[in-house]
Amino acid sequence: DAGVTQSPTHLIKTRGQQVTLRCSPKSGHDTVSWYQQALGQGPQFIFQYYEEEERQRGNFPDRFSGHQFPNYSSELNVNALLLGDSALYLCASSFGGLPLHFGNGTRLTVT
Amino acid sequence: AQKVTQAQTEISVVEKEDVTLDCVYETRDTTYYLFWYKQPPSGELVFLIRRNSFDEQNEISGRYSWNFQKSTSSFNFTITASQVVDSAVYFCALGQPGWGAQKLVFGQGTRLTINP
Repeated sequence: DAGVTQSPTHLIKTRGQQVTLRCSPKSGHDTVSWYQQALGQGPQFIFQYYEEEERQRGNFPDRFSGHQFPNYSSELNVNALLLGDSALYLCASSFGGLPLHFGNGTRLTVT
Repeated sequence: AQKVTQAQTEISVVEKEDVTLDCVYETRDTTYYLFWYKQPPSGELVFLIRRNSFDEQNEISGRYSWNFQKSTSSFNFTITASQVVDSAVYFCALGQPGWGAQKLVFGQGTRLTINP
C-alpha cells in the first residue's frame, strides 16, 4: 500500500519563475493538505483541498495556488518565485480528518 | 491565536539514556488535538500520537510515553532507553476538530541525537 508520494524530490528554480509540485495521496484518502517547511523550522500550513475545492488556507499570498483532481491527487503552484520560497514542501493526506499522513516532500531551491 | 513552543532546539544524549522532549501550547479552544510527529533525515513526518483535549490520561507505547497536563498546557514526550534509531527531529503540533484537523500548528521542533 503506497503512502503519500510527491514529485519531484528536488527542484531548482530561478527567482521570478513558476513551479508546480505534485502529490498523490495515500490510497483511500480524499483530503490533501500542503505545508511549507523552511530550514530549521516547523511546517506551516498552506492550504487544504477536499472534493476539488480549497477548504482552508493559511497565511500565504495568492502566488500560492493549488488544485485537486477527481482522483484526489493534487498540485501546488507557486508563481513569481522569491528566494524566501526555498523550502521543503510537504503534502499530507487523510480520510475523515485524522491523522495526517505526510509524504517525503519536495525540496525547492530558488536561486 | 494558537501557538506551540518547543523550547529545546537540540538534545544530545548517549544511547540507553532516558530523554524528555517538552511541548507547551496555547489555544483558546476547549476542544483540540495534540500530536507528536517524528521527522527522520528522509523528510517524511511520521505520526506518533494524537491526544484529545478531553483525555488527560498518560499513554505508553513501548519505549515511548506521553504526559498531557492541561493545567500547565504541556504535552511532553519521553523516550526510555533511547536508541540510535530514535535520532530525528521531533515536532509537537496542535489542531482543531473537523476541518481544523488539517490545519496543524507545529512547534519549531527538537533535534534529538542519540550517540552510541
